[in-house]
Amino acid sequence: NAGVTQTPKFQVLKTGQSMTLQCAQDMNHNSMYWYRQDPGMGLRLIYYSASEGTTDKGEVPNGYNVSRLNKREFSLRLESAAPSQTSVYFCASSFHGRDTEAFFGQGTRLTVV
Amino acid sequence: DAKTTQPNSMESNEEEPVHLPCNHSTISGTDYIHWYRQLPSQGPEYVIHGLTSNVNNRMASLAIAEDRKSSTLILHRATLRDAAVYYCILREGSNSGYALNFGKGTSLLVTP
Repeated sequence: NAGVTQTPKFQVLKTGQSMTLQCAQDMNHNSMYWYRQDPGMGLRLIYYSASEGTTDKGEVPNGYNVSRLNKREFSLRLESAAPSQTSVYFCASSFHGRDTEAFFGQGTRLTVV
Repeated sequence: DAKTTQPNSMESNEEEPVHLPCNHSTISGTDYIHWYRQLPSQGPEYVIHGLTSNVNNRMASLAIAEDRKSSTLILHRATLRDAAVYYCILREGSNSGYALNFGKGTSLLVTP
């Protein structure tokens, strides 16, 4: 039982390059989330998918797109990376509702130069 | 969105109990109180959650005030491994897919 798996763990991009961060969960969760965490800060919500086939913007969606490929997978795409997108990205999943536990991946450390 | 207020940092001695406070004066009746922690260089991990009654699990206890405007996470015997940032979060609202809204949390230092 792997939980939430993120790939890659580390990535360096040049300004203007594109990339996709992958996230997969094996717990049959309905909801999946992408967060970013800047140094010394809490996590901020980028996008979420409350159920398969739906995606919605969070607090900081500019510069990102997402795809809920199926129930297991939720990817985050940077079309044209900028230095301001240097951050640690976390994917999370949970069952839908207020009283459920969320599980987080180990994060992707992205540097844009 | 309902907000929580936590001290920026706290310090504890190893093997002593730790009480981490959280204020949430604007909590609504259906908001659940969640606690997560983040160890260095790791993703957040679930600690405990509750609605009205006090809760216990293998990691910690959650004490919720009768008016629900504050809560306290209790670590019964702190270990060095408990050094982390602890986040108190109100899980609310289907308008954001029940996403967890993280603040800055409390950084807990545990000294031997």
